[in-house]
Amino acid sequence: AQKITQTQPGMFVQEKEAVTLDCTYDTSDPSYGLFWYKQPSSGEMIFLIYQGSYDQQNATEGRYSLNFQKARKSANLVISASQLGDSAMYFCAMREVMGGYSTLTFGKGTMLLVSP
Amino acid sequence: DTGVSQDPRHKITKRGQNVTFRCDPISEHNRLYWYRQTLGQGPEFLTYFQNEAQLEKSRLLSDRFSAERPKGSFSTLEIQRTEQGDSAMYLCASSLGGSLSTEAFFGQGTRLTVV
Repeated sequence: AQKITQTQPGMFVQEKEAVTLDCTYDTSDPSYGLFWYKQPSSGEMIFLIYQGSYDQQNATEGRYSLNFQKARKSANLVISASQLGDSAMYFCAMREVMGGYSTLTFGKGTMLLVSP
Repeated sequence: DTGVSQDPRHKITKRGQNVTFRCDPISEHNRLYWYRQTLGQGPEFLTYFQNEAQLEKSRLLSDRFSAERPKGSFSTLEIQRTEQGDSAMYLCASSLGGSLSTEAFFGQGTRLTVV
């Protein structure tokens, strides 16, 4: 079974509007961390935001916020006031510590296109 | 430049040849990770090092793949007898420690094309 599921292959949004990118995850580990990364065409993965499984409040970083619904195992990324430079691939990822190590497992990504 | 750097950025090789990629992590980072990303997919974990010790290898890392981090600084990933299925982006990342919240910093990747 997929540990991270991103059901939207592509999303379109107009500049200055908000957009939500979906992410659901699967784990039996009570301790885990959820990350969102942005990958522009240059290839580098850029960290955006982090949410811990025990965090009571949703994480926010500038225009990025994470809508964390633990019971539903979802961790959607909300980008407010989209900008043209937000056009990129977006990946949801999870870190677990089962087995004594902690590596990131990524979803397949969502391509976001922001139009003027 | 204090980020993660990878060399080369692009590599085209003939099937059956050996290739080696290099990753220079952020200097104080003790953990180093290798990921592979194929078209339309997210990065898939290959292996990681804590200092010079290779602590975990994915089943994706066949015996044609070998990674080293000899002095706990830079790392190399070698692929022997390359196959067309090895064509992918190879991403290196580093972090300071490995707690749940630890952010991994990625390089720009090495894009391998096997012809």
